[in-house]
Amino acid sequence: AQSVTQLGSHVSVSEGALVLLRCNYSSSVPPYLFWYVQYPNQGLQLLLKYTSAATLVKGINGFEAEFKKSETSFHLTKPSAHMSDAAEYFCAARKAGYSTLTFGKGTMLLVSP
Amino acid sequence: EAGVTQFPSHSVIEKGQTVTLRCDPISGHDNLYWYRRVMGKEIKFLLHFVKESKQDESGMPNNRFLAERTGGTYSTLKVQPAELEDSGVYFCASSQAQGGNTEAFFGQGTRLTVV
Repeated sequence: AQSVTQLGSHVSVSEGALVLLRCNYSSSVPPYLFWYVQYPNQGLQLLLKYTSAATLVKGINGFEAEFKKSETSFHLTKPSAHMSDAAEYFCAARKAGYSTLTFGKGTMLLVSP
Repeated sequence: EAGVTQFPSHSVIEKGQTVTLRCDPISGHDNLYWYRRVMGKEIKFLLHFVKESKQDESGMPNNRFLAERTGGTYSTLKVQPAELEDSGVYFCASSQAQGGNTEAFFGQGTRLTVV
């Protein structure tokens, strides 16, 4: 069965620092990959998705993610954290031929001044 | 354009009672999904509707859960009778297409607490 692993349930950074949230998938055939963000009292919002057109994917709010097949990873980065980035981030995967998403456990990003 | 709407946002019920959650998908989205996040765990798939038909209900935990999608529009998820382990956040999502890199649009979730 496919699984998605997010390393670190909480990540703390200072404002202006690099944000790195890790995501690894388990399947031998690369799935379709997504990053979602959930701000307090809101639903999940799509940040970006891997489409196989390019290994480096740019998303909203300055986030980007790099797909590395050799490492089965799809880590999320942002060069400079902003206070408004504080939220919970979810990595998700969808196997080819399927409709459902498999989620990681989520990483809470804490940004301090 | 309105997004996916879920009602209620919070519900606290006693063990053994019945609760019905509602989801209004984005207009025109044939695909509707229910997911659940139990505290401390990952968001897990419950079931998938295509219009009014259940495409995949492999994630439904047991027969205390009943999902319907009348006329292929809004959907309800009924839990009867509720147990303590049913507590969690129930998310609804909808999409126009299915599979591939299709984006699923999520509602804000219903936080269910069973006491």
